Amino acid sequence: KNEVEQSPQNLTAQEGEFITINCSYSVGISALHWLQQHPGGGIVSLFMLSSGKKKHGRLIATINIQEKHSSLHITASHPRDSAVYICAAQKTSYDKVIFGPGTSLSVIP
Amino acid sequence: EPEVTQTPSHQVTQMGQEVILRCVPISNHLYFYWYRQILGQKVEFLVSFYNNEISEKSEIFDDQFSVERPDGSNFTLKIRSTKLEDSAMYFCASMGTGTEAFFGQGTRLTVV
Repeated sequence: KNEVEQSPQNLTAQEGEFITINCSYSVGISALHWLQQHPGGGIVSLFMLSSGKKKHGRLIATINIQEKHSSLHITASHPRDSAVYICAAQKTSYDKVIFGPGTSLSVIP
Repeated sequence: EPEVTQTPSHQVTQMGQEVILRCVPISNHLYFYWYRQILGQKVEFLVSFYNNEISEKSEIFDDQFSVERPDGSNFTLKIRSTKLEDSAMYFCASMGTGTEAFFGQGTRLTVV
């Protein structure tokens, strides 16, 4: 069983829609990362969470430690948000991150 | 904005040749990592490095792989005798105290 799961695997949305990507993990963690990967391949860190909620612009990430679940929300989605969004778990500080399979998001104008 | 830089961005090599992938982590970071992503698959951990030694390595990181921090700034991944299945995107990452992981833009390795 994969230690980090994501849903949905693929998501197509109309511009302006509110988007939610879900992540569940089976291991104890010190931090949960949300990352973005564009078609060119580079990975950008969006958030690192250990509890609660973080917001950056139109992106919001939440985590429920007890339920081992995290969500990434995008408000007022835009075509430039089209990318693969990856959830990754980190068991202890400075440990490697364990990547989920990614959610491929396509936002249509 | 600090960033991790990787060179080259794309490397094509003949099977059996040695390749060295280079990374410059963020200057005050102490923890360094290599990951790889085979096309269409998820990112996999290769190795972590701290205090000038390997702190953890995956099953993928066999004897053909090695890492080094030769001069206090660069962090390199060497593949001694490349195989076709080594073709992948290789990512370097670094982490500081209490910070998120910073990833490089990756090196796309193509073994022909």
